[in-house]
Amino acid sequence: DQQVKQNSPSLSVQEGRISILNCDYTNSMFDYFLWYKKYPAEGPTFLISISSIKDKNEDGRFTVFLNKSAKHLSLHIVPSQPGDSAVYFCAARNRISGSARQLTFGSGTQLTVLP
Amino acid sequence: NAGVTQTPKFRVLKTGQSMTLLCAQDMNHEYMYWYRQDPGMGLRLIHYSVGEGTTAKGEVPDGYNVSRLKKQNFLLGLESAAPSQTSVYFCASGKTEAFFGQGTRLTVV
Repeated sequence: DQQVKQNSPSLSVQEGRISILNCDYTNSMFDYFLWYKKYPAEGPTFLISISSIKDKNEDGRFTVFLNKSAKHLSLHIVPSQPGDSAVYFCAARNRISGSARQLTFGSGTQLTVLP
Repeated sequence: NAGVTQTPKFRVLKTGQSMTLLCAQDMNHEYMYWYRQDPGMGLRLIHYSVGEGTTAKGEVPDGYNVSRLKKQNFLLGLESAAPSQTSVYFCASGKTEAFFGQGTRLTVV
């Protein structure tokens, strides 16, 4: 029973174009959402986050959108660069998970940016 | 600037053997976590700690034990390894935007 779903295992885009990675969640108690980026043989690195009280957060080429009514968030990368090729994980925090701030992760989307 | 360091990076175990994975962080974080990553399943939380001397179970704790004797270290133990524990293990520290180690690839044969 996956509470955070990334339905696209892979995505290919041309360099310079926009990459859109999607994530759906089912638990209405999630109050904070994060995107992590992972290169092969490395650990995930934090990319960008958004609180449930916002619908958009922007950081340079990366923008995360949150649609609470649809329980959907997306990560936009524009323009895409070959160095963006990596696995992207969506993660969510449950507001009732207590002090542990546990994260629930999606299964990841492999983004390939073609030169 | 070490951040989160995991030891070892690779290990092959025979079924029934035991081992300990070590995680060390130098960021003075209270919160530390152990995750496993399996194909198509993302990262799943095994155990976590909210401070020195405390540990708690995550989503998939069975077959693992942990200890947090020092604030900077979080140990993950496998008492009797099984093939189902073949995975990539990640340690992380931090309250929400967790910082991850580089991972330990464990194969149980």
